[in-house]
Amino acid sequence: DADVTQTPRNRITKTGKRIMLECSQTKGHDRMYWYRQDPGLGLRLIYYSFDVKDINKGEISDGYSVSRQAQAKFSLSLESAIPNQTALYFCATSAPGPNTEAFFGQGTRLTVV
Amino acid sequence: AQKVTQAQTEISVVEKEDVTLDCVYETRDTTYYLFWYKQPPSGELVFLIRRNSFDEQNEISGRYSWNFQKSTSSFNFTITASQVVDSAVYFCALIPYSGAGSYQLTFGKGTKLSVIP
Repeated sequence: DADVTQTPRNRITKTGKRIMLECSQTKGHDRMYWYRQDPGLGLRLIYYSFDVKDINKGEISDGYSVSRQAQAKFSLSLESAIPNQTALYFCATSAPGPNTEAFFGQGTRLTVV
Repeated sequence: AQKVTQAQTEISVVEKEDVTLDCVYETRDTTYYLFWYKQPPSGELVFLIRRNSFDEQNEISGRYSWNFQKSTSSFNFTITASQVVDSAVYFCALIPYSGAGSYQLTFGKGTKLSVIP
C-alpha cells in the first residue's frame, strides 16, 4: 500500500459544486500538506497542518478549506468550485524538522467545468 | 521571502547524453535545506536528494550527481548517460530554517526532461 493515499484520483465537477478531496497516510507523521500543481507553475502550498489541532494557510488558500480529522487524515474542500481550480492536487506528509523529505500521494486530477 | 528558479522549462536530449538541470535559489536565512524531486509521467513525486546549507560537498549516486555552490546560490543536478526512464519533470525545492518552525517547502516551476531513444 502507498504511504500516502488520495481519493478520488480523478474527478470532474461542475462550477458551484462543493467537493472534498481526501488524504490518508500511514507514515505516522504529524505534518500534512495540500499542494496544487498547474502547468508551468510548479507546486504551490494551499494549507498545511503540523498536528491535529494546528491548521495554517499556505500561499493560495482562498477558495479552499481543510479538515484534519485525525493524525493520518487531512481533507481539502472546495466550497464552491470554479474553473480556475482545475489542477492536479497533491497531499503530502513529513516528519518534524526542516531537513526531512516530504512523501507525496499520487495526486488527484480535478476538472471543474 | 524565498524563491527557487529553474530557468530551463524543457530539455530534450538523446539517450546516453549527459544533461544538467539548473536550480538557483534565494533566501535570507543562513540555514536552509535544498531538495530535488522527480515527477515521472505517472504523476507521483519522488524524493531524490536533500542537502543542507552547511554541507557543500558534491554528491554522486549512480548516474546522478549534484553540485551545490553557495557562492552562486545554485544546486544543479546532472544525469550522466541519460536513459529513457529519466524522462520526467524535475523539481528543485527549498526549506529555509529561521527557527520559527514553519518549514515550508518552496518549489521551483520544474524542468521537463525528455530523453529520446
